[in-house]
Amino acid sequence: DAKTTQPPSMDCAEGRAANLPCNHSTISGNEYVYWYRQIHSQGPQYIIHGLKNNETNEMASLIITEDRKSSTLILPHATLRDTAVYYCIVRGSQGNLIFGKGTKLSVKP
Amino acid sequence: SQTIHQWPATLVQPVGSPLSLECTVEGTSNPNLYWYRQAAGRGLQLLFYSVGIGQISSEVPQNLSASRPQDRQFILSSKKLLLSDSGFYLCAWSLLAGPYNEQFFGPGTRLTVL
Repeated sequence: DAKTTQPPSMDCAEGRAANLPCNHSTISGNEYVYWYRQIHSQGPQYIIHGLKNNETNEMASLIITEDRKSSTLILPHATLRDTAVYYCIVRGSQGNLIFGKGTKLSVKP
Repeated sequence: SQTIHQWPATLVQPVGSPLSLECTVEGTSNPNLYWYRQAAGRGLQLLFYSVGIGQISSEVPQNLSASRPQDRQFILSSKKLLLSDSGFYLCAWSLLAGPYNEQFFGPGTRLTVL
């Protein structure tokens, strides 16, 4: 069972920031939050991960609330190629990643 | 650099036929290996994971099995496929050590059972 909750779908205009929310209210103190995305018919692609502090890399920024019960993935300037399903994930007890249904992001011109 | 391969990319098999999907990893040693399945419109579900040669753990009961004959080879098998086995099968690897456990996924195999 997924430990995270995400909206099923979101739209974003090309060139604008895409803000993807995720609730993980049962996350434990030492669990990381991971974000992956999956473009249709491809394997999931790692985006970013974080524990407590906000993180930024060349793909995105991750904002984690102080109580760690939710986070937001930010794509600062969305392009059409960012259209994908985005998964907010925490790690299972066996080291696996527990995927929910994710958020289907549609970037529109 | 590390790479992960899966084959075949697509497969159409009749019900009751056997299955063998292969996954190999290059550029790393002693990885954790995982098999996931993604049914249409659903998230990825962990099927099997392995922490070493010959060590397989199953997450869900099913008619599938997995084997790890070599350190960087992971095989998913079935003796008799069911219609419900159709889906997108993904292999992934991660390092045993380290706190991040980032998983790297292969390109996947799309299986259609008719």
